[in-house]
Amino acid sequence: AQSVTQPDIHITVSEGASLELRCNYSYGATPYLFWYVQSPGQGLQLLLKYFSGDTLVQGIKGFEAEFKRSQSSFNLRKPSVHWSDAAEYFCAVVASGGSYIPTFGRGTSLIVHP
Amino acid sequence: DGGITQSPKYLFRKEGQNVTLSCEQNLNHDAMYWYRQDPGQGLRLIYYSQIVNDFQKGDIAEGYSVSREKKESFPLTVTSAQKNPTAFYLCASSIRQGSGNTIYFGEGSWLTVV
Repeated sequence: AQSVTQPDIHITVSEGASLELRCNYSYGATPYLFWYVQSPGQGLQLLLKYFSGDTLVQGIKGFEAEFKRSQSSFNLRKPSVHWSDAAEYFCAVVASGGSYIPTFGRGTSLIVHP
Repeated sequence: DGGITQSPKYLFRKEGQNVTLSCEQNLNHDAMYWYRQDPGQGLRLIYYSQIVNDFQKGDIAEGYSVSREKKESFPLTVTSAQKNPTAFYLCASSIRQGSGNTIYFGEGSWLTVV
């Protein structure tokens, strides 16, 4: 079965600084990978996804993520963080074979200082 | 607009009572899901349904029940057998099992047992 690890529970950055949120997965083949963002008390919004092809994917709100097969990682990045980016971020993986049920990481809470 | 509608947003229940959370989608998605979210624990899958009149248990199905009589509707009943039902509940849907199975979420329902 696949698994997802988000090693950072909280990340604090200053507004305008760059951001990288880490995501590592465990799966034998190439998975489908996703990043979601959740504001307090709201549902999850899809930021971006990787299925195949170019390993650097662009998403909404200026986010991007890079799939690195050798490191089993799919880290989320943003060059300049805005205060409105403060939220919870979830990485998810779907096995390319099987039930296609996604497995979510435990989430990383992003705190943005002015 | 197409989307996933959950109701009610906030619900209070007395111990020993059953309560039903509504989830409706007009995205023509085949699959629907219910997740539970507790602070610091990420998302846990309760039930999912891939087609009408069929559903499967997720990781934490005990104390919950669902039905899928219509493609667009997937209500969740939290029964009195659920020992700790206070949580944030998220409904989600996806177009089909293949093609990466991108999941989209509703805005969630808060359930508090008083």
